[in-house]
Amino acid sequence: GNSVTQMEGPVTLSEEAFLTINCTYTATGYPSLFWYVQYPGEGLQLLLKATKADDKGSNKGFEATYRKETTSFHLEKGSVQVSDSAVYFCALSDVGSWGKLQFGAGTQVVVTP
Amino acid sequence: GAVVSQHPSRVICKSGTSVKIECRSLDFQATTMFWYRQFPKQSLMLMATSNEGSKATYEQGVEKDKFLINHASLTLSTLTVTSAHPEDSSFYICSARDLLRDRDYYEQYFGPGTRLTVT
Repeated sequence: GNSVTQMEGPVTLSEEAFLTINCTYTATGYPSLFWYVQYPGEGLQLLLKATKADDKGSNKGFEATYRKETTSFHLEKGSVQVSDSAVYFCALSDVGSWGKLQFGAGTQVVVTP
Repeated sequence: GAVVSQHPSRVICKSGTSVKIECRSLDFQATTMFWYRQFPKQSLMLMATSNEGSKATYEQGVEKDKFLINHASLTLSTLTVTSAHPEDSSFYICSARDLLRDRDYYEQYFGPGTRLTVT
């Protein structure tokens, strides 16, 4: 079956540091890949997405590239801010699954001033 | 656009009672809605998928007689936790797909969640 594995947290960084959160997946088909963010006390929000191999999703300074050869979708940001403190979820949705999302375990990111 | 609301945001109920949680798509038609459960500091676990006008499809291990899902209209789905017990205490999240907007990929729009506490 499909699965998503992402690095465990919490990840603690200083403001303006480089952030990377690793995410790898297994899937039988050609899934769409997503990063969702959950800020404290709020619901999940889509951060970025990629629907096919070599696509790069980007939003709010975050980027992730769909790497079919390594089955990865690592999230990166060059300079984090305190406001980026949140839980980040990697997820996939396989074709024909009605859009069901398979989530990774989530990675908590804490950015300190 | 693509706003999903949930009501209530928090609910406390006594063991043995039932509680209903509503999920609404406010500005789009949601042909498919999903219900998730999230335990503290853990990921989301998909409970069921509901398509408007048909019975929900439950994930393995989810008791369909305990977690009743109704998707009677294109903008409303409800989750009823029947005969609730303390172990049902959790954060319940719904999401919805806008089939007209997202035909080619499978983006979901999430509600803010409902915190259920069973005493």
